[in-house]
Amino acid sequence: EVQLVESGGGLVQPGGSLRLSCAASGFTFSNDWMTWLRQAPGKGLEWVANLNQGGSEKYFVDSVKGRFTISRDNAKNSLYLQMSSLRVEDTAVYYCARDSKGTFDSWGQGTLVTVSS
Amino acid sequence: EIVLTQSPGTLSLSPGERATLSCRASQSVRNYLAWYQQKPGQAPRLLISGASSRATGIPDRFSGSGSGTDFTLTISRLEPEDFAVYYCQQYGSLPRTFGQGTKVAIK
Repeated sequence: EVQLVESGGGLVQPGGSLRLSCAASGFTFSNDWMTWLRQAPGKGLEWVANLNQGGSEKYFVDSVKGRFTISRDNAKNSLYLQMSSLRVEDTAVYYCARDSKGTFDSWGQGTLVTVSS
Repeated sequence: EIVLTQSPGTLSLSPGERATLSCRASQSVRNYLAWYQQKPGQAPRLLISGASSRATGIPDRFSGSGSGTDFTLTISRLEPEDFAVYYCQQYGSLPRTFGQGTKVAIK
């Protein structure tokens, strides 16, 4: 069974940094693209970034370019999202998901990031 | 960026009724369109990919149709567990984008 477990969320001040982690199990992690998505409280879904199997190809939504970095450690079956220069509008539940040719067929339970002073 | 517009915003129906949800894209996404179901406090679940292919384990009362810019998700007979929010998502180009969601509510 595919399992994705996010961690690292919390309360951070505007301008601060946070690193999210996603631990994967139940599938061959190194074979799949992976994605981060987010959902602001009471709002819809937003794709944030994705990363190819080897970590060499990555894409970001415009609103986080230059502030967020995505990476992975295939030896540890883990995906990461390094977030810096955080803004109030980055407040959301952040999900990691397995990227199956552009669709997201497995999701974690999410981790809440709150950016507030 | 491709904008997806879902309608209606809320659909109020009774169990056993048929639900028809619409998703319109601002430009063609060919058949690179997926549908997700999300219940309160839960992560979304993939229902449909390729506009019409059900994901593993999805009941056959869920069906998808359309291509290009106009897509439909149909739930043939609503079960109590189907009352939720439904999102369409395009994966024809980056950035991946979602519609704003349609809530299927109990009438």
